[in-house]
Amino acid sequence: SQQGEEDPQALSIQEGENATMNCSYKTSINNLQWYRQNSGRGLVHLILIRSNEREKHSGRLRVTLDTSKKSSSLLITASRAADTASYFCATYYGNNRLAFGKGNQVVVIP
Amino acid sequence: GAVVSQHPSWVICKSGTSVKIECRSLDFQATTMFWYRQFPKQSLMLMATSNEGSKATYEQGVEKDKFLINHASLTLSTLTVTSAHPEDSSFYICSVRGLAPEDEQFFGPGTRLTVL
Repeated sequence: SQQGEEDPQALSIQEGENATMNCSYKTSINNLQWYRQNSGRGLVHLILIRSNEREKHSGRLRVTLDTSKKSSSLLITASRAADTASYFCATYYGNNRLAFGKGNQVVVIP
Repeated sequence: GAVVSQHPSWVICKSGTSVKIECRSLDFQATTMFWYRQFPKQSLMLMATSNEGSKATYEQGVEKDKFLINHASLTLSTLTVTSAHPEDSSFYICSVRGLAPEDEQFFGPGTRLTVL
């Protein structure tokens, strides 16, 4: 089966607040990636964190990785209306195929 | 990153007809291309992986005779949905990757297929 799961969440927050979403996966990984998808659009790569990293920052994004728990979190700080989207984590599985988790729908209210 | 285009961006067809979706890598030698399907409010599910000049490898449960994939060049892959039925209505997204297995994947904007 295709791995990479997160607790299916629908977050609704006010602009300026932080948004946190989680992801869990099943097998050992070399890296984990987060993607954003605006409604009805393709995916945009946000950030990649390697298995030997515990935390990584990119602008307003902060990603953590806990390989012992096979989980990752994505934090968006000081959210903006433009951050409204679905967010997916993704990991590689057999034969280097990228599999996606269920996704988190984030709505930022202006 | 690589620029990936898909054509058409949306298509409506009658049940029983075939539909071809193109995926082009505009500025990137796509050794490997992937086709995903996404139903409303769900995640992307990998349908098949294709390497240039080779037959596609399909995921379990995906009918290779129904979803024909051709990856004839490093910049073009096509997905043909044959004898489409309403349950094939979905968002189809292609993705490209370079030679290294863990190179970043770049995604097309997707094609919305509606089968009446």
